[in-house]
Amino acid sequence: KAGVTQTPRYLIKTRGQQVTLSCSPISGHRSVSWYQQTPGQGLQFLFEYFSETQRNKGNFPGRFSGRQFSNSRSEMNVSTLELGDSALYLCASRVGGSLSSYNEQFFGPGTRLTVL
Amino acid sequence: TQLLEQSPQFLSIQEGENLTVYCNSSSVFSSLQWYRQEPGEGPVLLVTVVTGGEVKKLKRLTFQFGDARKDSSLHITAAQPGDTGLYLCAGVRPPRALNFGKGTSLLVTP
Repeated sequence: KAGVTQTPRYLIKTRGQQVTLSCSPISGHRSVSWYQQTPGQGLQFLFEYFSETQRNKGNFPGRFSGRQFSNSRSEMNVSTLELGDSALYLCASRVGGSLSSYNEQFFGPGTRLTVL
Repeated sequence: TQLLEQSPQFLSIQEGENLTVYCNSSSVFSSLQWYRQEPGEGPVLLVTVVTGGEVKKLKRLTFQFGDARKDSSLHITAAQPGDTGLYLCAGVRPPRALNFGKGTSLLVTP
């Protein structure tokens, strides 16, 4: 079974630009979560999508948005990039189901975003 | 605010030594997960502990969940260079998302 794939793996943008990152979950997984990882703050939750609906959201500004398609693939978008948005963006998928039971989450390799 | 505090932040040891990594919180979690992340990769789940006081062993790794379900520890016996990586703990409090600690970066030198 193929793992979680993320594209692109590396990205360089300048301040003020916008960026779209893509995540393809493991086949059969309906939940996709996005995380931002930085040396200073560690791994922080951005949002989770399940069956094309956002069902959980972290504490990030509205410049960070996402969506999920009917095939469970997900994209996240960051508009008006700031220097502080430089980070590793990780996507994780799981089978889904009730929020009260956490199935194992499988992470992709991440997209390394550098904002100049 | 970081709900989970991990210590130490960095650890550099020689092959064959033992070590313990701690994950502490003032919050109660329904379960706690440990991940290992290698450079250029996403975190990989090592174990989930669910019951207060639970101890789980994975070869040379021993995981313990505190009685009050607020803290956890990871002990590695006879560390090997292949154990090098970033160790992350994550607390589960449904319906909220996972809360991750900042991680412990471990370097094991031959």
